[in-house]
Amino acid sequence: EVQLVESGGGLVKPGGSLRLSCAASGFTFSNAWMSWVRQAPGKGLEWVGRIESKTDGGTADYAAPVKGRFTISRDDSKNTLYLQMNSLKTEDTAVYYCTRGIFAVVNDAFDIWGQGTMVTVSS
Amino acid sequence: SYELTQPPSVSVSPGQTASITCSGDKLRDKYVCWYQQKPGQSPVLVMYQDDKRPSGIPERFSGSNSGDTATLTISGTQAMDEADYYCQAWDSSTGVVFGGGTKLTVL
Repeated sequence: EVQLVESGGGLVKPGGSLRLSCAASGFTFSNAWMSWVRQAPGKGLEWVGRIESKTDGGTADYAAPVKGRFTISRDDSKNTLYLQMNSLKTEDTAVYYCTRGIFAVVNDAFDIWGQGTMVTVSS
Repeated sequence: SYELTQPPSVSVSPGQTASITCSGDKLRDKYVCWYQQKPGQSPVLVMYQDDKRPSGIPERFSGSNSGDTATLTISGTQAMDEADYYCQAWDSSTGVVFGGGTKLTVL
């Protein structure tokens, strides 16, 4: 079964750090371009960033609101995607989804989504 | 930064056709995809590359993209189609962009 399972969410104080994980199964993770998308409570979807497959260069790109604070990485030996979040702000409070791009291109659509993990930034 | 604009809400009667629009500058030059999200659930891809349906998506869902507007059309709308719908595209300066979402009510 094709599946993405996120973990690592929780409550963190402003300025703190958190690392999210996303375990993939049922497809060739090493070939996939993976993204993180978040959704603040009652709000719409917001792209966080993406990482290419290593064979395509392994470059990570980020949305402006998180650039310099968040880092996306991957461990293909563990079929796992990571999101390291530093200098967290209250506006980072959201459900964080990991998702796969269908065609491994920049203008891609996301066909597999995890169930999401909640991150709450509050004092 | 690039923006996609959707109407906050659309209402449709069961069995009728619902049209949800997504507007952006020169959107016709970009691929647009659409997601359906029901309360408490993760988004589901219902259309990609403007007008292609993923496996398992009913034929009543169709898409188009012309000028500055992309449209997701649901023919013969059913109660199960009630959900939030988001369009998405990619811009070379901004990256992946989502529209603000449209709440489809079937009443």
